[in-house]
Amino acid sequence: QKEVEQNSGPLSVPEGAIASLNCTYSDRVSQSFFWYRQYSGKSPELIMSIYSNGDKEDGRFTAQLNKASQYVSLLIRDSQPSDSATYLCAVNPGGATNKLIFGTGTLLAVQP
Amino acid sequence: DGGITQSPKYLFRKEGQNVTLSCEQNLNHDAMYWYRQDPGQGLRLIYYSQIVNDFQKGDIAEGYSVSREKKESFPLTVTSAQKNPTAFYLCASSTGEGYGYTFGSGTRLTVV
Repeated sequence: QKEVEQNSGPLSVPEGAIASLNCTYSDRVSQSFFWYRQYSGKSPELIMSIYSNGDKEDGRFTAQLNKASQYVSLLIRDSQPSDSATYLCAVNPGGATNKLIFGTGTLLAVQP
Repeated sequence: DGGITQSPKYLFRKEGQNVTLSCEQNLNHDAMYWYRQDPGQGLRLIYYSQIVNDFQKGDIAEGYSVSREKKESFPLTVTSAQKNPTAFYLCASSTGEGYGYTFGSGTRLTVV
């Protein structure tokens, strides 16, 4: 069974620090990877997508992908209390259906 | 502005009752999805549709039904056969393979 694993947390970091969120996936042929942010009681919001090995930066967010290790991570620089949310990792294992498999999410708490 | 609209935001179901959750999108996306989110279990796929008049079962389709008569609309019916329907229901759409999802704001269903 195809799986996406995340540490549920909570991951607690002080304001201004770098938050590092990690995700591993089981299907080696997976091609596209996504990070969603979900505030409590709200729906997920897409914040990053990555398709190739290496780093992709967007503002304070950096996504990192290592297909050989089946590992994808999200770094949040200069963490703010408003970044406190659950971060969901999602993986597309491939195929025309575009069905994403979601991890259970990591709860991030940024302490002022 | 383009987006996905889910209604109602909150829904209460009595035992033995069928209820229908609405999902409408004006993003011109071909693919639409229904997920269920329970605490600690992440998002689980109920049904998905890649094209009008066609849909497929996801991982937890029992007790649910859908229709896709228009590109913009993908309603979900929670039938009385679904024994544990209390959850947060999320509708999503995607432009196609390899792209992330855009989510609606969700419907919180409670059995009373």
